[in-house]
Amino acid sequence: DIQMTQSPSSVSASVGDRVTITCRASQRISGWLAWYQLKPGKAPKLLIYAASTLQGGVPSRFSGSSSGPDFTLTISNLQPEDSATYYCEQAGSFPLTFGQGTRLDIK
Amino acid sequence: EVQLVESGGGLVQPGGSLRLSCEASGFTFGSSAMAWVRRAPGQGLEWVASLSINGDKTYYADSVWGRFTISRDNSKSTLYLQMNSLRVEDTAVYFCAKDFRGGGNYGWFDSWGQGTLVSVSS
Repeated sequence: DIQMTQSPSSVSASVGDRVTITCRASQRISGWLAWYQLKPGKAPKLLIYAASTLQGGVPSRFSGSSSGPDFTLTISNLQPEDSATYYCEQAGSFPLTFGQGTRLDIK
Repeated sequence: EVQLVESGGGLVQPGGSLRLSCEASGFTFGSSAMAWVRRAPGQGLEWVASLSINGDKTYYADSVWGRFTISRDNSKSTLYLQMNSLRVEDTAVYFCAKDFRGGGNYGWFDSWGQGTLVSVSS
């Protein structure tokens, strides 16, 4: 199985800051990676797929990039509504696997 | 607007069974692969199972293989998850998700339901 190592597990930042979340794949997954946002009591939301393609309707302050086995989600100009838990997911092969999650708190 | 509404969760004893349903609307259900993903209390997301457009291909996590069955009724725009031999560790919120990746590939979920809680306890 492909393991996704996500870091940090939690981060606290202020409105207007920039935050970076990273996932490292244990095997080659090419660009088959997605990022999701999860808020309590709400349906998860797809933010980015194919490592760097922004899902329709997602603010442009969210961006994704990759370098080898490392994938990065960057949130610029943080807003209060960005407080959530973020997950990466590899779709390179079954079983599909998620990172452990990063909890983002807005100060 | 795409809507996915899960139902069928509840409290069940270890070894028991439950059948989850997910009613879909707002898109052509018969043209989308579908999946179930769960989140145990205090844990992260875990993919459970995926199903092809016409239901002929199924994929399962090792943790549920042989106990859970994913299926669909395209005439009713409904996805199912039959869960047998339930264990305490199956306790989780179960989400239904629409997979838009296409081309015989899987794993990008662009719409999700709000989930249904399954509690396995004696």
